[in-house]
Amino acid sequence: AQSVTQPDIHITVSEGASLELRCNYSYGATPYLFWYVQSPGQGLQLLLKYFSGDTLVQGIKGFEAEFKRSQSSFNLRKPSVHWSDAAEYFCAVGSTTSGTYKYIFGTGTRLKVLA
Amino acid sequence: DAGITQSPRHKVTETGTPVTLRCHQTENHRYMYWYRQDPGHGLRLIHYSYGVKDTDKGEVSDGYSVSRSKTEDFLLTLESATSSQTSVYFCAISEFLETQYFGPGTRLLVL
Repeated sequence: AQSVTQPDIHITVSEGASLELRCNYSYGATPYLFWYVQSPGQGLQLLLKYFSGDTLVQGIKGFEAEFKRSQSSFNLRKPSVHWSDAAEYFCAVGSTTSGTYKYIFGTGTRLKVLA
Repeated sequence: DAGITQSPRHKVTETGTPVTLRCHQTENHRYMYWYRQDPGHGLRLIHYSYGVKDTDKGEVSDGYSVSRSKTEDFLLTLESATSSQTSVYFCAISEFLETQYFGPGTRLLVL
């Protein structure tokens, strides 16, 4: 079955420290992969996406993610976290089933940033 | 930002009453989706539409119905609201194999 796993429910880092959020997927075909961020009380904003090509993709707000097919992973990274990065982060895979298109989301990782 | 609006943005209702949430887009995208978001569950797909009058169920469709009579509007109806349907509901749009864009959400409280 298709699925997305975000193993870390909560992560706490100090401001200025590096960050890595993990995402593993299970999908039979070439995946379309996404990371979204949700600030408290807000909707979801796209951070970055991978469709094909270079496996290291750059996104907004200084985030990047690396697609590793052999590990079925699409981990999100940021070299230096800012207090404004505190939010919830969702990984998703785009799935085509019976010719239609939908997303499968992970359960999210909530990031706390210490001053 | 993609042109997606949701109405109402907040609603309080009583158990057993019908509730309809509206999603409106100005992007002419083919796909529209309804999700619910609950702590510990992330976003779960309720129903989605891949064209006017073309809809399909998601993973948590029981107790919900949808309709899409125009490209720009996708309605979600809770036929008889229950307390377990208290949630935040998000609408999203996309084209085939493209990025989904999300609306601002509707907070629904069922008493």
